[in-house]
Amino acid sequence: QKEVEQNSGPLSVPEGAIASLNCTYSDRGSQSFFWYRQYSGKSPELIMSIYSNGDKEDGRFTAQLNKASQYVSLLIRDSQPSDSATYLCAVNENNFNKFYFGSGTKLNVKP
Amino acid sequence: SAVISQKPSRDICQRGTSLTIQCQVDSQVTMMFWYRQQPGQSLTLIATANQGSEATYESGFVIDKFPISRPNLTFSTLTVSNMSPEDSSIYLCSVREANQPQHFGDGTRLSIL
Repeated sequence: QKEVEQNSGPLSVPEGAIASLNCTYSDRGSQSFFWYRQYSGKSPELIMSIYSNGDKEDGRFTAQLNKASQYVSLLIRDSQPSDSATYLCAVNENNFNKFYFGSGTKLNVKP
Repeated sequence: SAVISQKPSRDICQRGTSLTIQCQVDSQVTMMFWYRQQPGQSLTLIATANQGSEATYESGFVIDKFPISRPNLTFSTLTVSNMSPEDSSIYLCSVREANQPQHFGDGTRLSIL
């Protein structure tokens, strides 16, 4: 059973702070890792992908991957109220397999 | 990334009826998936739509309840059959090319009375 675990939250941070979202996965064979953002009433939107150990930065977002510890995290710097959404972690074993999604972490950024 | 059009965007249906949801992509894609998202819940994969053959269903989902077609590499349909209030959900189509992340359509919001 391949599992992806996330804290459901809600995670509340003040505007301008760093939000840290975490995800652990059970399958050591996982090779690709993704973060999706889902606003209420909308479909998931890809915001970050990471494939190798270390950090990957894109604007205010940084994804961190540690395959040895089987976790992937997402940091959001200078959090804005518009970042308030549910963040879904997804992992994939190889290019032709399905994704496994976590249950999502709800983030609230307070003005 | 591919542009995904999903129809209808929402519907309200009577108990016992069936609804077919369409997913159209503007380019050929390798993989297409159908998900369900119940209120306040995360995504649940219903099946992988296979071009020219029967879909691959996940545990808990059966073809009689959720028949899926994929006649070509740009189009798929999901039918929700003999609907009950428990089928009220958002149904999402997603697509994926090799070496690429998965992308979602806007979803179909389905309510059953």
